[in-house]
Amino acid sequence: KAGVTQTPRYLIKTRGQQVTLSCSPISGHRSVSWYQQTPGQGLQFLFEYFSETQRNKGNFPGRFSGRQFSNSRSEMNVSTLELGDSALYLCASSSRGGAGYNEQFFGPGTRLTVL
Amino acid sequence: AQSVSQHNHHVILSEAASLELGCNYSYGGTVNLFWYVQYPGQHLQLLLKYFSGDPLVKGIKGFEAEFIKSKFSFNLRKPSVQWSDTAEYFCAVCSGNTGKLIFGQGTTLQVKP
Repeated sequence: KAGVTQTPRYLIKTRGQQVTLSCSPISGHRSVSWYQQTPGQGLQFLFEYFSETQRNKGNFPGRFSGRQFSNSRSEMNVSTLELGDSALYLCASSSRGGAGYNEQFFGPGTRLTVL
Repeated sequence: AQSVSQHNHHVILSEAASLELGCNYSYGGTVNLFWYVQYPGQHLQLLLKYFSGDPLVKGIKGFEAEFIKSKFSFNLRKPSVQWSDTAEYFCAVCSGNTGKLIFGQGTTLQVKP
């Protein structure tokens, strides 16, 4: 089974621009979560999608948004980039059973650098 | 607010030494508990998980963890570390029926050969 894939792996943008990151979950997984990883703040939850609906949202400004498609692939978008948005953005996918969520499997991440 | 606290930020051990990394969480309801590892240059991988049942769980590569509900703790252990265990270790909690993982700050483990 192929793992979680994320594209692109590296991005360099300038302040004020916007960026779109893509995530393809493990086949059969319908839940996709996004996290931001920085040296100072660690791993922070951005949002989670299940069956094309946002189910949970972290404490990030509205510049951070996402969506999920019918094939479970997900995209996240950051508008009006700021220097502090430089981070590793991780996507994770999970299956969901009757007892709730199962463990999350992480992709390699997209390294975003904002200049 | 839910939080996860890892006691040690940086641990240095010699090969064959025993390892215990502390993790405490704050949440009163039902939780699922995880330890993830991030080897240098690699993505986050699941070491072990606890959902219910036996509070002593075994994971990959000889790691184990014990869930102590009364102490809100989920400490990671390994009897004898190897140089290849050098990595960053993250404790995480997922509460109730959500897809939201709350991570601790991470512990960097350096194993000297």
